[in-house]
Amino acid sequence: GNSVTQMEGPVTLSEEAFLTINCTYTATGYPSLFWYVQYPGEGLQLLLKATKADDKGSNKGFEATYRKETTSFHLEKGSVQVSDSAVYFCALSEGEAAGNKLTFGGGTRVLVKP
Amino acid sequence: DGGITQSPKYLFRKEGQNVTLSCEQNLNHDAMYWYRQDPGQGLRLIYYSQIVNDFQKGDIAEGYSVSREKKESFPLTVTSAQKNPTAFYLCASSSGPKGAEAFFGQGTRLTVV
Repeated sequence: GNSVTQMEGPVTLSEEAFLTINCTYTATGYPSLFWYVQYPGEGLQLLLKATKADDKGSNKGFEATYRKETTSFHLEKGSVQVSDSAVYFCALSEGEAAGNKLTFGGGTRVLVKP
Repeated sequence: DGGITQSPKYLFRKEGQNVTLSCEQNLNHDAMYWYRQDPGQGLRLIYYSQIVNDFQKGDIAEGYSVSREKKESFPLTVTSAQKNPTAFYLCASSSGPKGAEAFFGQGTRLTVV
């Protein structure tokens, strides 16, 4: 079956530091890959996505590149802010034929200190 | 505003009771999902529905039931057969094409008292 593995947190950073959250996946087909963010007590919001190999998703200064050869989709941001403190989830979807179900990693809590 | 509305935000259940969590969307999405989130863990799929009057079990369906009588609504019932129901429940919907994002509600926190 499908699975997503991401680095465990918490990750604690100072403001303006560089952030990387590793994510690797196992899938039988050619999935779409996503990063979602969750703020305390809320639902998930899409941060960025990529639908095929070598695609780069980007949003709000965050980037991730779909690497088929290493089955990875690592999230990066060059200079974090306190407002980036949240839990980040890597996820994959195998598309409409599989019901567009999302398979999630365990989440990585990020805490940015002033 | 288009979106997904879950209610209630907080729900308390006594042992042996069934409770129903509401999920409504006005995004005109065909597909809807229920996920369970436990503290410090990822989300696990309970049930999903790709079309009205049809739904499928996810990875952890035991002790739960759903219905999909209307496109806009996908209620989840947590039955007394669910032995450990305390969790954060998230409803989502998506439009279908490959790569379509899922939109999530704000969640319902269920606690057994």
